[in-house]
Amino acid sequence: AQRVTQPEKLLSVFKGAPVELKCNYSYSGSPELFWYVQYSRQRLQLLLRHISRESIKGFTADLNKGETSFHLKKPFAQEEDSAMYYCALSEETSGSRLTFGEGTQLTVNP
Amino acid sequence: GAVVSQHPSWVICKSGTSVKIECRSLDFQATTMFWYRQFPKQSLMLMATSNEGSKATYEQGVEKDKFLINHASLTLSTLTVTSAHPEDSSFYICSARDLLAVAKNIQYFGAGTRLSVL
Repeated sequence: AQRVTQPEKLLSVFKGAPVELKCNYSYSGSPELFWYVQYSRQRLQLLLRHISRESIKGFTADLNKGETSFHLKKPFAQEEDSAMYYCALSEETSGSRLTFGEGTQLTVNP
Repeated sequence: GAVVSQHPSWVICKSGTSVKIECRSLDFQATTMFWYRQFPKQSLMLMATSNEGSKATYEQGVEKDKFLINHASLTLSTLTVTSAHPEDSSFYICSARDLLAVAKNIQYFGAGTRLSVL
């Protein structure tokens, strides 16, 4: 069965510092990977998906099939990036259900 | 665009009663909606996939008779927690996938419903 692991429950950095939120997965097929974000008192929303290969709000994530990872990175963290970040996996690109990691609470300190 | 409305946002009920939660896609049509459960400080756990016009697909360990799902239209899915007990107290979240953008495989989430069973 597929599994998504986010090893850090809490991550704290200072404003302007680089940040990396780790995500590893286990799945035998070709997964589609996502990062979802939940800001305080807001609903979960899509941040980015690996297929798009785009940068959103300065964040990027590269799918590394060899290491089965999909780490989220930003070179200069901002205070408004403080939120809960979830890595998620879909078994196929045709639109199947998502398996979420446990989430990482990012705090960017001034 | 792509707004999902979930109602109610918070409900308190007595043990043994049933509670219905609605999930509506406001500006798009969704043949597929998903229901998740989230315990405090834990991740979202998929309960079931709701399919318009057909039976829902439940995840292993989720009681079908306990959590009734109805997806009667392209914009509405409901989750009914039947004979609720305190252990059913949780945060329930729905999501929907745009019918016209299935290939994008993006889920749009509701704000969630906090259920407290006394």
